[in-house]
Amino acid sequence: QKEVEQNSGPLSVPEGAIASLNCTYSDRGSQSFFWYRQYSGKSPELIMSIYSNGDKEDGRFTAQLNKASQYVSLLIRDSQPSDSATYLCAVNSGGSNYKLTFGKGTLLTVNP
Amino acid sequence: DAGVIQSPRHEVTEMGQEVTLRCKPISGHNSLFWYRQTMMRGLELLIYFNNNVPIDDSGMPEDRFSAKMPNASFSTLKIQPSEPRDSAVYFCASTYPPGDYNGYTFGSGTRLTVV
Repeated sequence: QKEVEQNSGPLSVPEGAIASLNCTYSDRGSQSFFWYRQYSGKSPELIMSIYSNGDKEDGRFTAQLNKASQYVSLLIRDSQPSDSATYLCAVNSGGSNYKLTFGKGTLLTVNP
Repeated sequence: DAGVIQSPRHEVTEMGQEVTLRCKPISGHNSLFWYRQTMMRGLELLIYFNNNVPIDDSGMPEDRFSAKMPNASFSTLKIQPSEPRDSAVYFCASTYPPGDYNGYTFGSGTRLTVV
């Protein structure tokens, strides 16, 4: 059973701070890693993808991947109240298999 | 692009009734996925299709659930008979052809309540 684990939170940070969200996965052969944001009552939307070890930056978001430790994280700099949502980590095992295994998500609250 | 379109948005039905959920993937996407989301279990993959062919249905809970994809632009998920434990949000998602994989695009979901 391939698993993706996240701290359910809630993670509470003040506006302007850095929010750090973490995820571990069990399948060592995993190839692709994604972070989705889900607002309450809405569908998940893709915010970051990462495929290689190291950091990938996109605006205020930085995804970090360490395949040796089977660990992926998302940093949100200058957090805004509009960032308050559940963040879902998703992992793909690669090859011709396009299905994603999702963690249960971390609820982030950014306080004004 | 209209995105992934699901219908209905909300469905309330009585236990024992048949429920049909519908999905239109993004044009050009050849992989389609049905997920179920609950507070307790999170997002669970039910079934996925590649080029209209079911590839993995190991997540389908039991024989009461069935899914079809008769063509590249339409898929259905049917529950018959429905039970209260089927209450959840059901998402459909689609993705690009091979070689350009960048995660899924989700539809808005169908919130199913079985009473």
